[in-house]
Amino acid sequence: DAGVIQSPRHEVTEMGQEVTLRCKPISGHDYLFWYRQTMMRGLELLIYFNNNVPIDDSGMPEDRFSAKMPNASFSTLKIQPSEPRDSAVYFCASRASLLVPDTQYFGPGTRLTVL
Amino acid sequence: AQSVTQLDSQVPVFEEAPVELRCNYSSSVSVYLFWYVQYPNQGLQLLLKYLSGSTLVKGINGFEAEFNKSQTSFHLRKPSVHISDTAEYFCAVIRNNNDMRFGAGTRLTVKP
Repeated sequence: DAGVIQSPRHEVTEMGQEVTLRCKPISGHDYLFWYRQTMMRGLELLIYFNNNVPIDDSGMPEDRFSAKMPNASFSTLKIQPSEPRDSAVYFCASRASLLVPDTQYFGPGTRLTVL
Repeated sequence: AQSVTQLDSQVPVFEEAPVELRCNYSSSVSVYLFWYVQYPNQGLQLLLKYLSGSTLVKGINGFEAEFNKSQTSFHLRKPSVHISDTAEYFCAVIRNNNDMRFGAGTRLTVKP
């Protein structure tokens, strides 16, 4: 099992540019989560999907952020336009649907730097 | 409101010493508790979890944690740490199925 795959691993861009982060969940997992990690705020849940449908996006900081999941094996998190305060590590996680909450499996993260 | 509190932001210990990383949660409903470890430049990896049953949970790498409902705690312990245990440790709680909240993290530094 390849685990959760994220790309790119590092992204450096200039303020105002569009940034797209990509995630491939573990095959068979029907929940997908996007998190952001910063020194100031720790780990924050941005949005999660179930069966490709966004369930809770209350953690998305503002309209500049958007996420999609066009199919069960792919999701994107887009920031347009990007700002320096968006600099963080963005993690994608997935889990299978079980009767009780269970383990989320995390990807290696994308380190985003906005200059 | 903060759901998970990790009481120590940094814990330095010497190799082969015991360690306890503290975690308290706030919830009046059933909770599911997790400890994750994050090595430098990597994602989070599950150490152990409490869903139900025995309050003493054993995880990978010799770690264990005890769920204490009366004290609303889920402290992580290891009797003898190694240099390779140096990492950031996160306590997390799930409420309402998918609402996972993480603590601020505890940086464990094991010194030779």
